[in-house]
Amino acid sequence: AQRVTQPEKLLSVFKGAPVELKCNYSYSGSPELFWYVQYSRQRLQLLLRHISRESIKGFTADLNKGETSFHLKKPFAQEEDSAMYYCALRNNDMRFGAGTRLTVKP
Amino acid sequence: DTGVSQNPRHKITKRGQNVTFRCDPISEHNRLYWYRQTLGQGPEFLTYFQNEAQLEKSRLLSDRFSAERPKGSFSTLEIQRTEQGDSAMYLCASSTIRDRNRNTIYFGEGSWLTVV
Repeated sequence: AQRVTQPEKLLSVFKGAPVELKCNYSYSGSPELFWYVQYSRQRLQLLLRHISRESIKGFTADLNKGETSFHLKKPFAQEEDSAMYYCALRNNDMRFGAGTRLTVKP
Repeated sequence: DTGVSQNPRHKITKRGQNVTFRCDPISEHNRLYWYRQTLGQGPEFLTYFQNEAQLEKSRLLSDRFSAERPKGSFSTLEIQRTEQGDSAMYLCASSTIRDRNRNTIYFGEGSWLTVV
């Protein structure tokens, strides 16, 4: 069964500090993983996809198959990064973790 | 706005009543998804369509829930005999494999249901 676990419900950092949002998954095949973000009063939107190996808004995420993880990282957090972040795994449909609320304090 | 559109955005209903939500996906997106989200949780998969065919249903989708996509365009999600536990945000999303962002799903703003 496919499952996504985000162990931290809340994460708070100061502006300029590094941030890492954890995501672990269980899946028997080759996973396709995503990070979605939801800013206040906005719809859920894609942040990045692991197969694109891209950096979006300074965020990166590396798929570690050995540790079955897909942690989201940013070296210097900004206040506008405050949002809900969801890790998701794609099979035919998309399965989401419970989310981590990131708060970046000034 | 050419994104995924959902209506109504908010619905308050009495327990036992039926409610229906509508989703208009992004034009030409052949896949359409329904999710449910409650406070403190991520979106939970309910069902998805490829064109008009309903390909997968979660066991969260009890027999009181029915979803349709009759012409492969818009979709409806009906909840019969609503219960207080049905109170949640119902999210619709769509995707297509035909663009460069294949497999990316795009969400609507959701429909809030409150059962009193």
